[in-house]
Amino acid sequence: GAGVSQSPSNKVTEKGKDVELRCDPISGHTALYWYRQRLGQGLEFLIYFQGNSAPDKSGLPSDRFSAERTGESVSTLTIQRTQQEDSAVYLCASSFWGSSDTQYFGPGTRLTVL
Amino acid sequence: AQSVSQHNHHVILSEAASLELGCNYSYGGTVNLFWYVQYPGQHLQLLLKYFSGDPLVKGIKGFEAEFIKSKFSFNLRKPSVQWSDTAEYFCAVNAYYGGSQGNLIFGKGTKLSVKP
Repeated sequence: GAGVSQSPSNKVTEKGKDVELRCDPISGHTALYWYRQRLGQGLEFLIYFQGNSAPDKSGLPSDRFSAERTGESVSTLTIQRTQQEDSAVYLCASSFWGSSDTQYFGPGTRLTVL
Repeated sequence: AQSVSQHNHHVILSEAASLELGCNYSYGGTVNLFWYVQYPGQHLQLLLKYFSGDPLVKGIKGFEAEFIKSKFSFNLRKPSVQWSDTAEYFCAVNAYYGGSQGNLIFGKGTKLSVKP
């Protein structure tokens, strides 16, 4: 079946602009996660959606970052007033039921802020 | 805060050599442990995971990992590597706090290069 998809695959933006990154999880997966991977670093947790529960936003680095998820479907990560330090690969993953379940990752969006 | 340490940033081996990649975590309670792998040009994918039971876990492609609770370790091993094992390997830990699952915390990754 279809895996996790993300769009765009690459995004180049100017400092100060807003960007939106999209994630389509695997159908039927109730949990969805966003991570950030800076060059040479591990995956940094950003936010976690589980069903209809309030999302766990504990990993968002600043109030410029926000994310939404429509039901158990598509999620959008928004970064407002982008800064150069936001340059990274943003990965989305989904799992069937929770954070201890196997996570299936998308290809990522490479964001470059000039 | 919980953390995951991977000791080697880059490992270079010849084919047929044995592999052991170190992973240590900092949380003393109940944990689930994972190794994920990213082959060149591909998505991150699960290699193996430990939830409970036998601390020696076998995964895909001949990999295995051993959970040693007293050492807070979950090292990845393979007796004989192949060129196709060239990839980046990430250790990850999911801890339970008061009966609730925490988030998955990843190490910084180890790049493995296997020379043919």
